[in-house]
Amino acid sequence: GAVVSQHPSWVICKSGTSVKIECRSLDFQATTMFWYRQFPKQSLMLMATSNEGSKATYEQGVEKDKFLINHASLTLSTLTVTSAHPEDSSFYICSAPKTGTQKHNEQFFGPGTRLTVL
Amino acid sequence: LAKTTQPISMDSYEGQEVNITCSHNNIATNDYITWYQQFPSQGPRFIIQGYKTKVTNEVASLFIPADRKSSTLSLPRVSLSDTAVYYCLVGGGNAGNMLTFGGGTRLMVKP
Repeated sequence: GAVVSQHPSWVICKSGTSVKIECRSLDFQATTMFWYRQFPKQSLMLMATSNEGSKATYEQGVEKDKFLINHASLTLSTLTVTSAHPEDSSFYICSAPKTGTQKHNEQFFGPGTRLTVL
Repeated sequence: LAKTTQPISMDSYEGQEVNITCSHNNIATNDYITWYQQFPSQGPRFIIQGYKTKVTNEVASLFIPADRKSSTLSLPRVSLSDTAVYYCLVGGGNAGNMLTFGGGTRLMVKP
């Protein structure tokens, strides 16, 4: 199967600082990537759709100025949490669909990034 | 996107067969049914996908009745390592479509 990586796997930062999370498709190109947030014992919540070469599309209630998304290339999308606060502490997961597979809209997920804001 | 309903949690014992049913009454004609598995602190992983009838792969079976308003994921002879959250998703077949996750079913396999 296809591989999606995330970096870092975990990060601890002070309140008010910014944190960048990278999502890479290692062996395929992804014009679209998705960013999710998951709080403990809860399901994944879609935050935004990252589009290569154009602006990201944010879900309702997600602040685009706080969660900056840049899809710099066909294999890399970054999510920057600006001025992070403790309530931003969560598990951030990215996914990327791969075309040409036999499965319909199969998404490959990264391993996630655990963000803890002190 | 069709909404899905699953049991919040299930318990089982090693070696048993586990069946998790998902309701999706508003499934559209072009929607596929896909199940993902998520272990703690990891991203979800694709398990199985189907459109109608029965699909089987090396890890699970998926049963879909004729009206497609529900589906059942069957895990044969579960082991402790099958303890995870299982998500049922319903959506169109176009690559690049976002996935909407429901609550999922937290399966606990006991020794």
